[in-house]
Amino acid sequence: KNEVEQSPQNLTAQEGEFITINCSYSVGISALHWLQQHPGGGIVSLFMLSSGKKKHGRLIATINIQEKHSSLHITASHPRDSAVYICALHGGSQGNLIFGKGTKLSVKP
Amino acid sequence: DAGITQSPRHKVTETGTPVTLRCHQTENHRYMYWYRQDPGHGLRLIHYSYGVKDTDKGEVSDGYSVSRSKTEDFLLTLESATSSQTSVYFCAARGSDTQYFGPGTRLTVL
Repeated sequence: KNEVEQSPQNLTAQEGEFITINCSYSVGISALHWLQQHPGGGIVSLFMLSSGKKKHGRLIATINIQEKHSSLHITASHPRDSAVYICALHGGSQGNLIFGKGTKLSVKP
Repeated sequence: DAGITQSPRHKVTETGTPVTLRCHQTENHRYMYWYRQDPGHGLRLIHYSYGVKDTDKGEVSDGYSVSRSKTEDFLLTLESATSSQTSVYFCAARGSDTQYFGPGTRLTVL
């Protein structure tokens, strides 16, 4: 069983739509990361969360530790938001991250 | 990106040859990691380091070795490359509240 499950795997949206990507996990964690990876590109950390909610521009991330669930929201989506979004658990014994398989987002103009 | 660079960025090699990938950081991070990224698997930990000359195995360490003789450099070696090691390799360093990733190395083993 995967420790981290993301949904949906693929998501196509029209520019301007509100987008939600979900992450559920089954192990205890100290924090959760949301990462962004553009096609052919590197990986950038968007948020690290241990509780509650964080906001950065049009991006909002929430986490419910009791329910072992996190969501990433994008308001007023734009084609430049097209990327793979990866949920990663900060709970590995070596301080490493445990990654979901990612959600591929495509925002059409 | 915490000044993390990887070299080479792209490499094509033949089965059975040794390959070394280099990760260099400029921020004096203690913890460093090598991950590989494959379709359908997400990123998986190969090896990690928690200080100079202190390294340990991750989830998918078979066929790989690492070395860290200086804080800033973390090397990943494929002793005898196999086609199953065709992948994109990412180095990362652990900051105080995030992880910083290098740009990745795309390795193809023919």
